[in-house]
Amino acid sequence: EAGVVQSPRYKIIEKKQPVAFWCNPISGHNTLYWYLQNLGQGPELLIRYENEEAVDDSQLPKDRFSAERLKGVDSTLKIQPAELGDSAVYLCASSVRGGEQFFGPGTRLTVL
Amino acid sequence: GESVGLHLPTLSVQEGDNSIINCAYSNSASDYFIWYKQESGKGPQFIIDIRSNMDKRQGQRVTVLLNKTVKHLSLQIAATQPGDSAVYFCAENKGNRDDKIIFGKGTRLHILP
Repeated sequence: EAGVVQSPRYKIIEKKQPVAFWCNPISGHNTLYWYLQNLGQGPELLIRYENEEAVDDSQLPKDRFSAERLKGVDSTLKIQPAELGDSAVYLCASSVRGGEQFFGPGTRLTVL
Repeated sequence: GESVGLHLPTLSVQEGDNSIINCAYSNSASDYFIWYKQESGKGPQFIIDIRSNMDKRQGQRVTVLLNKTVKHLSLQIAATQPGDSAVYFCAENKGNRDDKIIFGKGTRLHILP
């Protein structure tokens, strides 16, 4: 069974530019999560979807970050404009209802 | 506020020895505790979990111990192997496995030959 797929794996942009990350969850997983992981830290939840509904986006900086999961499967996380402090690894995870979370490999973002 | 932290940032263990990774948590309302392993360039991988109504749970080569009196969680890895080299995170949440997880800062396990 394929795991959570994320792309790109690496992204380097200049500050003030927009950037988008894509996630394809494990087939059949209705819950999808986006996490932010700074170097040496544990992941922090940005947003959680149940199907296409965002059920927890309290930690998402809505002035510059946005996310969507239009058909309840794939999801996109966008940053516009990116700032230097946004450099981090962005992790996507998915789960079935009540099940353990499976993480993707992440996208490493570097903002110059 | 809520916090899940680890006592040591780096742990070096001789190959074949047992490893013990410790974690302190502060939220006594947490119901579910998880240990994750993260290798370089990969996302966290579930190792083992334990609910607050248990004090010990065993898996393959791993054991998690929960001491709610002192809010302490530990992960024991038996016969540590080179493939165990990674960063280990303890994490907690208040309900089901798919609820919001709060991660600690991680401990790097280094295996000595």
